[in-house]
Amino acid sequence: GAVVSQHPSRVICKSGTSVKIECRSLDFQATTMFWYRQFPKQSLMLMATSNEGSKATYEQGVEKDKFLINHASLTLSTLTVTSAHPEDSSFYICSARDSSGRRSYNEQFFGPGTRLTVL
Amino acid sequence: KQEVTQIPAALSVPEGENLVLNCSFTDSAIYNLQWFRQDPGKGLTSLLLIQSSQREQTSGRLNASLDKSSGRSTLYIAASQPGDSATYLCAVRDGGATNKLIFGTGTLLAVQP
Repeated sequence: GAVVSQHPSRVICKSGTSVKIECRSLDFQATTMFWYRQFPKQSLMLMATSNEGSKATYEQGVEKDKFLINHASLTLSTLTVTSAHPEDSSFYICSARDSSGRRSYNEQFFGPGTRLTVL
Repeated sequence: KQEVTQIPAALSVPEGENLVLNCSFTDSAIYNLQWFRQDPGKGLTSLLLIQSSQREQTSGRLNASLDKSSGRSTLYIAASQPGDSATYLCAVRDGGATNKLIFGTGTLLAVQP
Protein backbone atom coordinates (compact mmCIF):
# COMPACT_ATOMS: atom_id res chain seq x y z
CA GLY A 1 0.00 0.00 0.00
CA ALA A 2 0.86 3.71 0.04
CA VAL A 3 1.93 3.92 -3.58
CA VAL A 4 2.57 7.24 -5.28
CA SER A 5 3.07 7.41 -9.02
CA GLN A 6 4.45 10.14 -11.26
CA HIS A 7 4.04 10.68 -14.96
CA PRO A 8 6.07 11.06 -17.05
CA SER A 9 9.19 9.50 -15.59
CA ARG A 10 11.37 11.36 -18.03
CA VAL A 11 10.73 14.33 -20.31
CA ILE A 12 12.87 16.33 -22.69
CA CYS A 13 11.55 19.62 -23.99
CA LYS A 14 12.67 22.71 -25.84
CA SER A 15 13.35 25.97 -24.06
CA GLY A 16 10.22 28.10 -23.82
CA THR A 17 7.72 25.26 -23.74
CA SER A 18 5.60 24.18 -20.77
CA VAL A 19 5.73 20.76 -19.18
CA LYS A 20 3.14 19.15 -16.92
CA ILE A 21 4.06 16.49 -14.37
CA GLU A 22 1.36 14.42 -12.67
CA CYS A 23 1.50 12.96 -9.18
CA ARG A 24 -1.08 10.38 -8.13
CA SER A 25 -1.73 8.58 -4.87
CA LEU A 26 -2.87 5.18 -6.09
CA ASP A 27 -4.34 3.52 -3.02
CA PHE A 28 -5.06 6.35 -0.63
CA GLN A 29 -6.48 9.81 -0.53
CA ALA A 30 -4.17 12.74 -0.03
CA THR A 31 -5.42 16.21 0.85
CA THR A 32 -1.80 17.33 1.01
CA MET A 33 0.94 16.63 -1.50
CA PHE A 34 4.43 18.04 -1.76
CA TRP A 35 6.72 18.88 -4.65
CA TYR A 36 10.48 18.62 -4.28
CA ARG A 37 13.37 19.39 -6.56
CA GLN A 38 16.68 17.59 -6.51
CA PHE A 39 19.84 18.70 -8.30
CA PRO A 40 22.56 16.13 -9.08
CA LYS A 41 24.28 14.83 -5.97
CA GLN A 42 22.26 17.16 -3.78
CA SER A 43 19.45 16.65 -1.36
CA LEU A 44 15.75 17.30 -1.85
CA MET A 45 14.51 20.85 -1.58
CA LEU A 46 10.84 21.48 -0.89
CA MET A 47 9.31 23.68 -3.58
CA ALA A 48 5.68 23.85 -2.50
CA THR A 49 2.90 22.22 -0.55
CA SER A 50 -0.13 21.34 -2.63
CA ASN A 51 -3.52 21.45 -0.89
CA GLU A 52 -6.60 19.83 -2.37
CA GLY A 53 -9.18 22.43 -3.34
CA SER A 54 -7.07 25.43 -2.42
CA LYS A 55 -3.96 27.30 -3.48
CA ALA A 56 -0.54 25.80 -3.05
CA THR A 57 1.90 27.18 -0.52
CA TYR A 58 5.25 27.98 -2.07
CA GLU A 59 8.62 28.03 -0.36
CA GLN A 60 10.65 31.18 -0.31
CA GLY A 61 12.43 31.75 -3.60
CA VAL A 62 10.16 29.53 -5.68
CA GLU A 63 8.33 31.39 -8.45
CA LYS A 64 4.65 30.53 -8.24
CA ASP A 65 3.99 31.82 -11.76
CA LYS A 66 6.67 29.57 -13.16
CA PHE A 67 5.81 26.43 -11.22
CA LEU A 68 2.03 26.12 -11.36
CA ILE A 69 0.50 23.61 -9.00
CA ASN A 70 -3.02 22.27 -9.18
CA HIS A 71 -4.51 19.79 -6.69
CA ALA A 72 -7.93 19.22 -8.19
CA SER A 73 -8.77 15.90 -6.55
CA LEU A 74 -7.84 13.85 -3.51
CA THR A 75 -5.54 11.64 -5.57
CA LEU A 76 -3.98 13.97 -8.13
CA SER A 77 -1.65 16.95 -8.04
CA THR A 78 0.02 18.45 -11.09
CA LEU A 79 3.11 20.60 -11.44
CA THR A 80 3.43 22.64 -14.61
CA VAL A 81 6.79 24.18 -15.42
CA THR A 82 5.93 27.14 -17.61
CA SER A 83 8.28 28.62 -20.21
CA ALA A 84 10.95 26.14 -19.24
CA HIS A 85 14.61 27.07 -19.43
CA PRO A 86 17.73 24.89 -19.21
CA GLU A 87 18.23 25.91 -15.57
CA ASP A 88 14.88 24.25 -14.78
CA SER A 89 16.41 20.90 -15.71
CA SER A 90 16.25 18.80 -12.57
CA PHE A 91 14.73 15.77 -10.88
CA TYR A 92 11.26 16.55 -9.56
CA ILE A 93 9.79 14.31 -6.86
CA CYS A 94 6.31 14.45 -5.39
CA SER A 95 5.16 13.14 -2.06
CA ALA A 96 1.81 12.60 -0.39
CA ARG A 97 0.35 12.14 3.06
CA ASP A 98 -2.43 9.65 3.68
CA SER A 99 -5.39 11.70 4.91
CA SER A 100 -7.64 8.72 5.59
CA GLY A 101 -6.35 8.21 9.10
CA ARG A 102 -5.14 4.66 8.40
CA ARG A 103 -1.52 5.71 8.64
CA SER A 104 0.45 8.23 10.61
CA TYR A 105 -0.45 11.68 9.34
CA ASN A 106 3.17 12.73 9.55
CA GLU A 107 4.47 9.98 7.27
CA GLN A 108 5.08 10.97 3.65
CA PHE A 109 5.16 8.59 0.70
CA PHE A 110 7.26 9.49 -2.30
CA GLY A 111 6.83 9.08 -6.02
CA PRO A 112 9.55 7.71 -8.32
CA GLY A 113 10.48 11.14 -9.65
CA THR A 114 10.45 12.86 -13.04
CA ARG A 115 13.67 13.75 -14.83
CA LEU A 116 13.17 17.02 -16.74
CA THR A 117 15.72 18.07 -19.33
CA VAL A 118 15.25 21.42 -21.05
CA LEU A 119 17.30 21.89 -24.21
CA LYS B 1 16.35 27.24 11.01
CA GLN B 2 16.59 23.45 11.06
CA GLU B 3 19.67 22.00 9.39
CA VAL B 4 20.29 18.30 8.83
CA THR B 5 23.78 16.94 8.23
CA GLN B 6 24.88 13.44 7.34
CA ILE B 7 28.33 12.00 7.86
CA PRO B 8 30.09 10.52 6.02
CA ALA B 9 29.15 11.85 2.59
CA ALA B 10 30.36 8.62 1.02
CA LEU B 11 31.28 5.22 2.37
CA SER B 12 32.70 2.09 0.76
CA VAL B 13 32.76 -1.21 2.65
CA PRO B 14 33.34 -4.86 1.79
CA GLU B 15 30.36 -7.17 1.73
CA GLY B 16 29.42 -8.61 5.10
CA GLU B 17 30.53 -5.67 7.22
CA ASN B 18 28.28 -3.97 9.71
CA LEU B 19 28.12 -0.21 9.26
CA VAL B 20 26.71 2.94 10.80
CA LEU B 21 25.44 6.04 9.06
CA ASN B 22 25.12 9.24 11.03
CA CYS B 23 22.59 12.04 10.92
CA SER B 24 22.56 15.18 13.04
CA PHE B 25 20.04 17.99 13.27
CA THR B 26 20.28 21.41 14.87
CA ASP B 27 16.81 21.85 16.38
CA SER B 28 15.60 19.09 18.68
CA ALA B 29 11.94 20.17 18.33
CA ILE B 30 10.96 17.53 15.80
CA TYR B 31 7.90 15.34 15.30
CA ASN B 32 9.79 12.42 13.83
CA LEU B 33 12.81 11.34 11.86
CA GLN B 34 12.76 9.19 8.76
CA TRP B 35 15.46 7.26 6.92
CA PHE B 36 15.15 6.81 3.17
CA ARG B 37 17.01 4.94 0.48
CA GLN B 38 17.46 6.39 -3.01
CA ASP B 39 18.83 4.40 -5.93
CA PRO B 40 20.43 6.37 -8.80
CA GLY B 41 17.83 8.26 -10.82
CA LYS B 42 15.00 6.90 -8.70
CA GLY B 43 12.63 8.17 -6.06
CA LEU B 44 12.77 7.56 -2.32
CA THR B 45 12.01 4.37 -0.47
CA SER B 46 11.12 4.82 3.18
CA LEU B 47 13.15 2.53 5.41
CA LEU B 48 12.32 3.49 8.97
CA LEU B 49 10.33 6.20 10.73
CA ILE B 50 11.02 7.04 14.37
CA GLN B 51 8.52 9.17 16.25
CA SER B 52 9.97 11.80 18.57
CA SER B 53 8.90 9.76 21.60
CA GLN B 54 10.72 6.65 20.41
CA ARG B 55 14.37 5.70 20.79
CA GLU B 56 14.76 3.22 17.96
CA GLN B 57 13.08 1.25 15.21
CA THR B 58 14.14 -2.00 13.57
CA SER B 59 13.35 -3.58 10.24
CA GLY B 60 15.25 -6.68 9.21
CA ARG B 61 18.96 -5.85 9.05
CA LEU B 62 18.31 -2.17 9.69
CA ASN B 63 18.18 -0.45 13.04
CA ALA B 64 17.70 3.27 13.48
CA SER B 65 18.18 5.10 16.75
CA LEU B 66 17.14 8.58 17.79
CA ASP B 67 18.59 10.79 20.50
CA LYS B 68 16.45 13.86 20.19
CA SER B 69 18.10 15.85 22.97
CA SER B 70 21.51 15.62 21.32
CA GLY B 71 20.12 15.98 17.80
CA ARG B 72 21.46 12.69 16.51
CA SER B 73 20.27 9.59 14.72
CA THR B 74 22.13 6.58 13.46
CA LEU B 75 21.22 3.96 10.89
CA TYR B 76 22.88 0.62 11.54
CA ILE B 77 23.07 -1.87 8.69
CA ALA B 78 24.05 -5.40 9.64
CA ALA B 79 25.82 -7.82 7.33
CA SER B 80 25.89 -5.43 4.40
CA GLN B 81 25.20 -6.73 0.88
CA PRO B 82 26.00 -5.29 -2.56
CA GLY B 83 22.26 -4.68 -2.98
CA ASP B 84 22.45 -2.21 -0.11
CA SER B 85 24.47 0.13 -2.32
CA ALA B 86 22.49 3.37 -2.65
CA THR B 87 22.24 6.87 -1.21
CA TYR B 88 20.75 7.00 2.26
CA LEU B 89 18.91 10.14 3.28
CA CYS B 90 17.66 11.11 6.69
CA ALA B 91 14.92 13.66 7.12
CA VAL B 92 13.39 15.30 10.17
CA ARG B 93 9.86 16.57 10.41
CA ASP B 94 10.25 19.99 11.90
CA GLY B 95 8.16 20.68 14.96
CA GLY B 96 5.85 23.60 15.47
CA ALA B 97 3.91 25.34 12.76
CA THR B 98 6.19 24.45 9.88
CA ASN B 99 5.75 20.66 10.10
CA LYS B 100 8.02 20.35 7.09
CA LEU B 101 10.27 17.44 6.17
CA ILE B 102 13.87 18.70 6.11
CA PHE B 103 16.34 16.44 4.31
CA GLY B 104 19.98 15.78 5.03
CA THR B 105 22.70 15.80 2.44
CA GLY B 106 22.82 12.02 2.11
CA THR B 107 25.43 9.28 2.42
CA LEU B 108 26.42 7.41 -0.73
CA LEU B 109 27.07 3.80 0.26
CA ALA B 110 28.94 1.31 -1.89
CA VAL B 111 29.15 -2.30 -0.72
CA GLN B 112 31.88 -4.14 -2.56
CA PRO B 113 31.31 -7.83 -3.39
